[in-house]
Amino acid sequence: NAGVTQTPKFRVLKTGQSMTLLCAQDMNHEYMYWYRQDPGMGLRLIHYSVGEGTTAKGEVPDGYNVSRLKKQNFLLGLESAAPSQTSVYFCAANRTPNEQFFGPGTRLTVL
Amino acid sequence: GEDVEQSLFLSVREGDSSVINCTYTDSSSTYLYWYKQEPGAGLQLLTYIFSNMDMKQDQRLTVLLNKKDKHLSLRIADTQTGDSAIYFCAESIGGSQGNLIFGKGTKLSVKP
Repeated sequence: NAGVTQTPKFRVLKTGQSMTLLCAQDMNHEYMYWYRQDPGMGLRLIHYSVGEGTTAKGEVPDGYNVSRLKKQNFLLGLESAAPSQTSVYFCAANRTPNEQFFGPGTRLTVL
Repeated sequence: GEDVEQSLFLSVREGDSSVINCTYTDSSSTYLYWYKQEPGAGLQLLTYIFSNMDMKQDQRLTVLLNKKDKHLSLRIADTQTGDSAIYFCAESIGGSQGNLIFGKGTKLSVKP
């Protein structure tokens, strides 16, 4: 039981490149979330999903897209990366709204 | 909009108690949370409190909630060097979706 895993752990992109971050959970949880963490900013919600096939916007959704084709996976896409998207990205999952389990994070640098 | 505020730093001596404070704005929050983040790691849920409770104790951790003042605190008894980390307060918003608003985090430094 690995909990919540994220792939990759680190990535460096050039401005304008695209990439997809993968979040996987083996806990059969309905709810999944993508956050970004910036220095001195806490975590901000990008997008979330309340079940397979559903997604919704969070606090800072611009420049990102998500998909939840399978219950266990939640993908975060950057179509055209910008330096402002340099951040640490965390995925979380929970069965009920009051206990979110976080992945280890993906550190993304956009040059 | 909703906001959660915490002091940025706290320094204590090993064996002392630590108290980390947090204020929030959304009076309709159902749950309030404390998370711990160690360097290079994700967030670990420490504890949470339901909004109709005043206090919750879990081993060395005590959470106090003053709903009138929208003030939440986390007390760590007998603080150890392994407690050094960033502690985030968070409030739930958005009904049943579990969306959380996080504070900026309090960096706790424990000196031997």
